[in-house]
This record gives sequence, structure tokens and C-alpha cells, in this order.
Amino acid sequence: SQKIEQNSEALNIQEGKTATLTCNYTNYSPAYLQWYRQDPGRGPVFLLLIRENEKEKRKERLKVTFDTTLKQSLFHITASQPADSATYLCAHLDTGRRALTFGSGTRLQVQP
Amino acid sequence: DTGVSQDPRHKITKRGQNVTFRCDPISEHNRLYWYRQTLGQGPEFLTYFQNEAQLEKSRLLSDRFSAERPKGSFSTLEIQRTEQGDSAMYLCASSLAFRGIYEQYFGPGTRLTVT
Repeated sequence: SQKIEQNSEALNIQEGKTATLTCNYTNYSPAYLQWYRQDPGRGPVFLLLIRENEKEKRKERLKVTFDTTLKQSLFHITASQPADSATYLCAHLDTGRRALTFGSGTRLQVQP
Repeated sequence: DTGVSQDPRHKITKRGQNVTFRCDPISEHNRLYWYRQTLGQGPEFLTYFQNEAQLEKSRLLSDRFSAERPKGSFSTLEIQRTEQGDSAMYLCASSLAFRGIYEQYFGPGTRLTVT
């Protein structure tokens, strides 16, 4: 079955820098990868979806890339702000089942 | 508020008791999902409904767990004879089954503590 791996170490960066988070998958190339944001004590919030035939997707300060050769997706937040501090979850959508398989998430801390 | 709502937000129960959680999805969404999340982990899929039909159950969903979605609206998740290992955040999500729409909208979760 598909496994989604994210760096469990927290990422600490300075305000204004670009944060880059990594998501690796282990088996077949997922048709879709999704990124969610989760704040403590709250449910995940959908941010972006990228399809396997897309190299890159952007939304405001967010950018997601998908490299099927490396079996990897990168999630970038440019001009980061303290309000971007949260846990970011990568998820594979199994279109046959419609259920999401999540990674364990990476906690981002943006220092002012 | 037209988002996904869950009730209660917190539940503390003694081992062996039964608990029931409720989820109200976004009104026009026909798919409803239950996930479980423990500290430091991502949500794990438990089960999902399309309208009132329960289409899939994870192997994580033991016989002590049952979910219903009568009339394709709200859903309940019941855990019988709770165990300490059931302590977790239970998340509900909904989505619209429509071509090209894949994002799921999550509720705030119900945090269960089994003592």
C-alpha cells in the first residue's frame, strides 16, 4: 500500500524566508497529492492539490511541485510570516477509494 | 457557520464505557469520512459514506466501532467498550462527489480520552 513520508523534525525559519517542506511517497505514483495545514487542536484545512501530470502549482505565496522521478513533492511558502506557523500535512488521494492517506506532517515555526 | 461541525468537542470516559460522536457535514456534500489522529501523526482513515451507504471500512475499524449516516445527512460514530488505546482525536470530513473536486473539508474534531 502507498506510504507517505514527511520529515518529522520541526522546521524553524526566520520571517521573510522561504520555507520548503518535503513529501516522499514509496510506491506507485499517486494521481493526486494534496497539502493541508493543521493548527493545534483543529482539523486540517485544504491548501493545494497537484496532479501527477503537473510539475508545479501555485496559490498566492504557496507553491507545490511534483517530481515523479524522485517520488517527491515539495511545498514552498515564500515570504513566510509567523502566522504561517502550523503543521503541514501531505496526503495521497486514492481515487478508487476516495480516502486520503496522510503523512505524519511537518511542523513549521516562523520566527519574527 | 456552514462548515463541518462535530459534537462533542471533548469526551472523557472510563474504560469499558460506550461513546457516540456526531458529525454534521457541509449540507450539499454527499461524501462523509471519519479519520482518527493520535499525537504527532497524520489522520488515519476509518470509514466513508456516499450518501447513506457506507462504502468502505478500514482494517483499523474493529468490531467495537460502528458508524451510521441515516438519510445521508449527519453521521454518528460509536465506540463500544472503550479501551485506553482508543484515546485520540476523531475527525470528520466531507466532500462533494463531483468530477475534478477532491478536497475534503474537516471538522474541528472530537478529542476522546479514555481513563
